[in-house]
Amino acid sequence: AQSVTQPDIHITVSEGASLELRCNYSYGATPYLFWYVQSPGQGLQLLLKYFSGDTLVQGIKGFEAEFKRSQSSFNLRKPSVHWSDAAEYFCAVGPGYGGSQGNLIFGKGTKLSVKP
Amino acid sequence: GAVVSQHPSWVICKSGTSVKIECRSLDFQATTMFWYRQFPKQSLMLMATSNEGSKATYEQGVEKDKFLINHASLTLSTLTVTSAHPEDSSFYICSATHSNQPQHFGDGTRLSIL
Repeated sequence: AQSVTQPDIHITVSEGASLELRCNYSYGATPYLFWYVQSPGQGLQLLLKYFSGDTLVQGIKGFEAEFKRSQSSFNLRKPSVHWSDAAEYFCAVGPGYGGSQGNLIFGKGTKLSVKP
Repeated sequence: GAVVSQHPSWVICKSGTSVKIECRSLDFQATTMFWYRQFPKQSLMLMATSNEGSKATYEQGVEKDKFLINHASLTLSTLTVTSAHPEDSSFYICSATHSNQPQHFGDGTRLSIL
């Protein structure tokens, strides 16, 4: 079955500390992988995506993620967290070429809190 | 970057009324739009996929007669919740895409049915 697992429901880090949010997936074919961020009452903003090529991808706001096929993981990292990073983070997988990037499967999300 | 506008952002209405939510792609032609539902502290669940000019494809368990989707143009899709009831209260989010581009999401609509 296709699924996305984000093991951590809630993470609290101090401002300036490093961050890693975990994401594991189960998908039958080579997936497209995404990380989205959602602020309260808002829609989703794409942080970064992996389609192919270099397994370390850079995104917006200083985030990066590394695709590890052997571990079926796509963990999100940031070297120094800012208070404005507090939000809900969703990992998602989707089909590859096929037109519409449809049928994204989302993880349950990880809520990030940032301590001053 | 690509912008998707969703309107209204928040709506409160009485049980039994119908509510229409609009999703517009402002700077690109969206061949496909998606409608998601998000319950509190939950992830997004895909409700339906809408391709311009054709009938929407609904996910299993989603009532197509209750959640009417229209995608009449390449920049507009609408979701109408018919005869809404309190259990329909939720956060509804649309997204839009074209070609093989990632989905761009609207800011969501919070629907509260009294």
